[in-house]
Amino acid sequence: GENVEQHPSTLSVQEGDSAVIKCTYSDSASNYFPWYKQELGKRPQLIIDIRSNVGEKKDQRIAVTLNKTAKHFSLHITETQPEDSAVYFCAVYSTSGTYKYIFGTGTRLKVLA
Amino acid sequence: EAQVTQNPRYLITVTGKKLTVTCSQNMNHEYMSWYRQDPGLGLRQIYYSMNVEVTDKGDVPEGYKVSRKEKRNFPLILESPSPNQTSLYFCASGYRLYTGELFFGEGSRLTVL
Repeated sequence: GENVEQHPSTLSVQEGDSAVIKCTYSDSASNYFPWYKQELGKRPQLIIDIRSNVGEKKDQRIAVTLNKTAKHFSLHITETQPEDSAVYFCAVYSTSGTYKYIFGTGTRLKVLA
Repeated sequence: EAQVTQNPRYLITVTGKKLTVTCSQNMNHEYMSWYRQDPGLGLRQIYYSMNVEVTDKGDVPEGYKVSRKEKRNFPLILESPSPNQTSLYFCASGYRLYTGELFFGEGSRLTVL
């Protein structure tokens, strides 16, 4: 079945620096790649997503890049702020297979003021 | 207001005492799913449902049951809870094919003694 690996598990950056989180997946039929942010004690919420026919997508300070050949996608956060501190999860979904919605193990991002 | 509602939010129970965690969504979503969240393991899918009367196992279904008799409801049943089912549980819903985004409930923290 699908396997999603996420790295790093923890990441500390200085305020204003950039943060990059990477995920790799195994099922080539996967075609939807979202990223979720979970603040402490809260539910996960979608922050950005990308579909398999697109290589990059940006939304203000966050961006996601997808390399379908290498089966990896990354979340980029620029000009980090303290409120970016949270756990970030990547996920993989396929509409042509099992319809499982598989999450990575999460990255705890700490932005140091 | 569009939402996913889980109950109870917190529960302490004892080994072997059957319990049900309810989940209801008011967004007419076809797709509903249950996840458990454990430190270092991310969000692991327990069961999911593509529509009424259609359910499938996720990655960690052992010890759990689900049913989907109505589109809006997707209860999670623990027939004989054990301590290794102590976890934070999230219900989520979404459109089956188009958007892919999952909307999460607030979570149910379960402790099995």
